[in-house]
Amino acid sequence: AQRVTQPEKLLSVFKGAPVELKCNYSYSGSPELFWYVQYSRQRLQLLLRHISRESIKGFTADLNKGETSFHLKKPFAQEEDSAMYYCALSGGYNKLIFGAGTRLAVHP
Amino acid sequence: GAGVSQTPSNKVTEKGKYVELRCDPISGHTALYWYRQSLGQGPEFLIYFQGTGAADDSGLPNDRFFAVRPEGSVSTLKIQRTERGDSAVYLCASSRSGTGTTEAFFGQGTRLTVV
Repeated sequence: AQRVTQPEKLLSVFKGAPVELKCNYSYSGSPELFWYVQYSRQRLQLLLRHISRESIKGFTADLNKGETSFHLKKPFAQEEDSAMYYCALSGGYNKLIFGAGTRLAVHP
Repeated sequence: GAGVSQTPSNKVTEKGKYVELRCDPISGHTALYWYRQSLGQGPEFLIYFQGTGAADDSGLPNDRFFAVRPEGSVSTLKIQRTERGDSAVYLCASSRSGTGTTEAFFGQGTRLTVV
């Protein structure tokens, strides 16, 4: 079965600390993985996707097929990074399977 | 702006009533998706339209749920005989196509509360 697991509901860090939001997936085939973010009172939006191998707002994520993981990382957290983060898997034609989400709280 | 628009933003209805939720996608986007997000959970896929046709409705929980997109643009999600368990945020998303990894753009959602 296709599944996305985000083990942490809440991750609380201080400004300037490194951040790693965990995501593990279950999928038969070649997955397409995404991170979506929802800032307070804003709509869900794409942060990054694994095929682009890009860094957005200082965040990166590497697909590890051996560990079936797609963890999101940032070396130095900023207060404006505080948001809900969702890892998602594309099950074909952009039908997204989401994890339960992790709330990142960055404290001054 | 020209983002995905959902109306109403909030809907309170009584158990057993019928509701319609509307989604206006980004102009030119052929793919449209409905998701449901319950409290503390990530969005859960309901249905996918490519143009006017429902290409995948495997996420609809039961036959009380139905969605249409008659002209390939605006879509309406219809829920009959609402139940308290239907209370959730209903999200709509659209993308330029349903192939590859074209970005899906989400609306702000409709918060449905069944009392």
